[in-house]
Amino acid sequence: DVKVTQSSRYLVKRTGEKVFLECVQDMDHENMFWYRQDPGLGLRLIYFSYDVKMKEKGDIPEGYSVSREKKERFSLILESASTNQTSMYLCASREQRINEKLLFGSGTQLSVL
Amino acid sequence: AQSVAQPEDQVNVAEGNPLTVKCTYSVSGNPYLFWYVQYPNRGLQFLLKYITGDNLVKGSYGFEAEFNKSQTSFHLKKPSALVSDSALYFCAVRATGFQKLVFGTGTRLLVSP
Repeated sequence: DVKVTQSSRYLVKRTGEKVFLECVQDMDHENMFWYRQDPGLGLRLIYFSYDVKMKEKGDIPEGYSVSREKKERFSLILESASTNQTSMYLCASREQRINEKLLFGSGTQLSVL
Repeated sequence: AQSVAQPEDQVNVAEGNPLTVKCTYSVSGNPYLFWYVQYPNRGLQFLLKYITGDNLVKGSYGFEAEFNKSQTSFHLKKPSALVSDSALYFCAVRATGFQKLVFGTGTRLLVSP
């Protein structure tokens, strides 16, 4: 089965720590995305990447950065974690054809204490 | 700007009855519309999409959705609900020429035995 894998299901970090969330896809997809999911707010796009070393800001990029050095891997970085970044983080990938569906990972529930 | 509204936080239905989960959208130009489902502690799974053509779209698990351009709606439907359909449902829209997929806030569906 093709899939999107997020390295951690649950993560607990302290305020001020640098946090790395990793996502790997095995489908050779060009496009990859990071969303955060919060109750009552749905999914909000943080960053996306349409090719290696290419990235674009989504709706809520503040406090985050991303890295895409290889096609299969898209990392989300919290430079200095804060409590308001406690959330479910979802990674997704998609073929280059824009009408194709997103395929999601299982998510990482991050708690910042 | 693109936006999606899911007016109901929760929908309750008895098993065997028909269900409808509502979605309205706002985009410039032609919309590409999607429904996703999220089971507990899981990532999002694709259900169906509307790109062009027939206004009635059939998807996974017996779900279907009807695109109504005049009402800017894309309601999700199923003729006979199952307890196993209980989950969180997200509607999403992308405008022509845009990479970004915008999600609604989600509707929790509870199907009682």
